[in-house]
Amino acid sequence: LAKTTQPISMDSYEGQEVNITCSHNNIATNDYITWYQQFPSQGPRFIIQGYKTKVTNEVASLFIPADRKSSTLSLPRVSLSDTAVYYCLVGEYGNKLVFGAGTILRVKS
Amino acid sequence: NAGVTQTPKFQVLKTGQSMTLQCAQDMNHNSMYWYRQDPGMGLRLIYYSASEGTTDKGEVPNGYNVSRLNKREFSLRLESAAPSQTSVYFCASSEGLPADEQYFGPGTRLTVT
Repeated sequence: LAKTTQPISMDSYEGQEVNITCSHNNIATNDYITWYQQFPSQGPRFIIQGYKTKVTNEVASLFIPADRKSSTLSLPRVSLSDTAVYYCLVGEYGNKLVFGAGTILRVKS
Repeated sequence: NAGVTQTPKFQVLKTGQSMTLQCAQDMNHNSMYWYRQDPGMGLRLIYYSASEGTTDKGEVPNGYNVSRLNKREFSLRLESAAPSQTSVYFCASSEGLPADEQYFGPGTRLTVT
């Protein structure tokens, strides 16, 4: 199982861009990189997924270098409502996808 | 669509009691999952079902059993509850494609005294 390492916590201010990096040195060829967001007392919610290079959707961008040993979730212009825990998952199928401890993002006004 | 539903929302058990957590999804998904989340920690997979009739152990299966009753329902049973099983339990489902998006239920908060 691919192990991931993320910062425990990050602080930011409203309107700033936030970048959260995840390290996954033993990523396998067929593994995808997926990010989830979790608010208190709720289940996680899918944010974005990628395999290589850059992926962008309406809420975030995901940057993956050529060696795929790390990835960076970018949240543009965060607001107070983006305060949550962000998880990086690396894997292919259901029981090969492992949630790490996640990164607590605190957005301040 | 209700998505993924879980019952009950809260439960208190005494050590040694048994109970079943129910999960149902209405998205016609093939795969279903049971996770537990302890305070300040990430989610840990208990059991996984790739399709109706199949189940696989996850990271922390000891003390639990599961049943994939049909395509919609996936139940988690604690035969003899222990204080170490105090946790929040989340059920999730996905289409079953590689690394596809998982949809989570609201969770069951279980306390074992």
